[in-house]
Amino acid sequence: AQSVSQHNHHVILSEAASLELGCNYSYGGTVNLFWYVQYPGQHLQLLLKYFSGDPLVKGIKGFEAEFIKSKFSFNLRKPSVQWSDTAEYFCAVNIFNKFYFGSGTKLNVKP
Amino acid sequence: DVKVTQSSRYLVKRTGEKVFLECVQDMDHENMFWYRQDPGLGLRLIYFSYDVKMKEKGDIPEGYSVSREKKERFSLILESASTNQTSMYLCASSFGTSGYNEQFFGPGTRLTVL
Repeated sequence: AQSVSQHNHHVILSEAASLELGCNYSYGGTVNLFWYVQYPGQHLQLLLKYFSGDPLVKGIKGFEAEFIKSKFSFNLRKPSVQWSDTAEYFCAVNIFNKFYFGSGTKLNVKP
Repeated sequence: DVKVTQSSRYLVKRTGEKVFLECVQDMDHENMFWYRQDPGLGLRLIYFSYDVKMKEKGDIPEGYSVSREKKERFSLILESASTNQTSMYLCASSFGTSGYNEQFFGPGTRLTVL
């Protein structure tokens, strides 16, 4: 079975700190990669996605992610977090139109 | 704007009851999915469907079944609810078969089985 690993289960940062959330997947073939965010009490929504081209992709709200094929990684970054970024973040991989999700990382940003 | 709606936000049922969770999407998406979300486990796929009357098992189908009689509606059925099925259930839909189209999620149904 395919797997998606998110290394950090809970991250606490102060505002203006930089963020990097790790994501690794186990499949060796072509993949499409996604980061979703779930703000407290809200739906899961797409932050960004990668399927080809430039491995550095930019998403909403200043987030970006880098696909490193040799490391099977798709890490999420933001240079300066805000209190409003407090949420749970999920990495997902699409293989043959089936999605596999990581276990999620809860980010708590202190004002 | 894509909208995925789920019939209930909160549901409380008793062990052994048959439970129906309904999901409707309004964007003519071919693909629909049911997940359960549990703390520390992320989203786990229960069933999915690529077309009307088609269904495929996900990673944790045991104790569940699904129905897709119309393109816009995908139902999850718990044949005989058990306490270990207490969870948040999320429905999602997506367009096409390319795999690079994202899923759109509903608000979730928090099911408690007593």
